[in-house]
Amino acid sequence: EPEVTQTPSHQVTQMGQEVILRCVPISNHLYFYWYRQILGQKVEFLVSFYNNEISEKSEIFDDQFSVERPDGSNFTLKIRSTKLEDSAMYFCASSEALGGPLVQYFGPGTRLTVT
Amino acid sequence: SQKIEQNSEALNIQEGKTATLTCNYTNYSPAYLQWYRQDPGRGPVFLLLIRENEKEKRKERLKVTFDTTLKQSLFHITASQPADSATYLCRRGRALTFGSGTRLQVQP
Repeated sequence: EPEVTQTPSHQVTQMGQEVILRCVPISNHLYFYWYRQILGQKVEFLVSFYNNEISEKSEIFDDQFSVERPDGSNFTLKIRSTKLEDSAMYFCASSEALGGPLVQYFGPGTRLTVT
Repeated sequence: SQKIEQNSEALNIQEGKTATLTCNYTNYSPAYLQWYRQDPGRGPVFLLLIRENEKEKRKERLKVTFDTTLKQSLFHITASQPADSATYLCRRGRALTFGSGTRLQVQP
């Protein structure tokens, strides 16, 4: 069964460094998303991406964040200058189409630890 | 604006019993409601979707109902098992955000 994959599973970085989290969405899906979950809190929406551009973003997704689809399979989230409060699980998701029910398929996540 | 709420933060039940989780909404009915499961440290997993014109949907031991009069969806797990322990999330069909969900604990 097709699934969303994410790398790395765990990333440790120092405050102020840039990180890139990688995702491979399900191959025939057209819509891609990033979410984060701080330990003990709910899953928070960051951004959605369709047709090579951001379609929606939350207040959390400020100028330090960016997303890219560098090729036909990868979808990346870049955090330019990490802060301690960026420590969280980051989940990538994809969905087939936006025209009907928005069923999302999530990856296993990347645990980001900022020290 | 529409609001979706799950009544309980946590629910503890005994193994073998039926777990019932509630999702209420205000104002107009969403065209469909979705239910997801999340285990600690893992991403949400889609379970079931129910449309406004469907009264009930089943998948193995799971059953979802949609009552537009009560403005409520109920999510049932019959013959619950400790492996069913997780957080269950409901949201309207086209939402991008999740609430906090209901944390279900099934005691052996």
